[in-house]
Amino acid sequence: GAGVSQTPSNKVTEKGKYVELRCDPISGHTALYWYRQSLGQGPEFLIYFQGTGAADDSGLPNDRFFAVRPEGSVSTLKIQRTERGDSAVYLCASSFGTDTQYFGPGTRLTVL
Amino acid sequence: GIQVEQSPPDLILQEGANSTLRCNFSDSVNNLQWFHQNPWGQLINLFYIPSGTKQNGRLSATTVATERYSLLYISSSQTTDSGVYFCAVRGGSEKLVFGKGTKLTVNP
Repeated sequence: GAGVSQTPSNKVTEKGKYVELRCDPISGHTALYWYRQSLGQGPEFLIYFQGTGAADDSGLPNDRFFAVRPEGSVSTLKIQRTERGDSAVYLCASSFGTDTQYFGPGTRLTVL
Repeated sequence: GIQVEQSPPDLILQEGANSTLRCNFSDSVNNLQWFHQNPWGQLINLFYIPSGTKQNGRLSATTVATERYSLLYISSSQTTDSGVYFCAVRGGSEKLVFGKGTKLTVNP
């Protein structure tokens, strides 16, 4: 079946703008995760959803970052007033329960 | 929080050589995964191995949970094995904590 998909694959924006990144998990997966990967580093956790609710948002760096999963499937990561330091690859993963996490191809965000 | 250390940070091999990558973690874990990140950035699942030994073709992995380490073995390496190998663990929460990775270069 289809894997995790993310759109857009690349996003270039200007400092101060608002962006939305989308994640479509594997069908039937109940858990969804967002991670952020900076150059030369491993991915770092942002937020975890179990169903529709954010079960752990301890990795969100500040209140400019917000994520939703209104119907328990697709999720959107929203970043307000983007800063150059937000430039990174944003990765989404999904799993059935707490089993193996499967990652999407990521969205490369560049803030000019 | 839990700490993950991977070694070596960089590894250069000739095609056909074998290698061992190591992952140390600082606390007990419920989940350990090995990933290969290809040059296009895609994280590919290699193993889900919180304990024990698994093999898949030229790759195998062993996790000794009581001693808090895992090893990834690559035999008869090929140029397509190049990329970054990540170890990631899950401790008391659902999030995965990643190491900094081992960058593998296999030369023809």
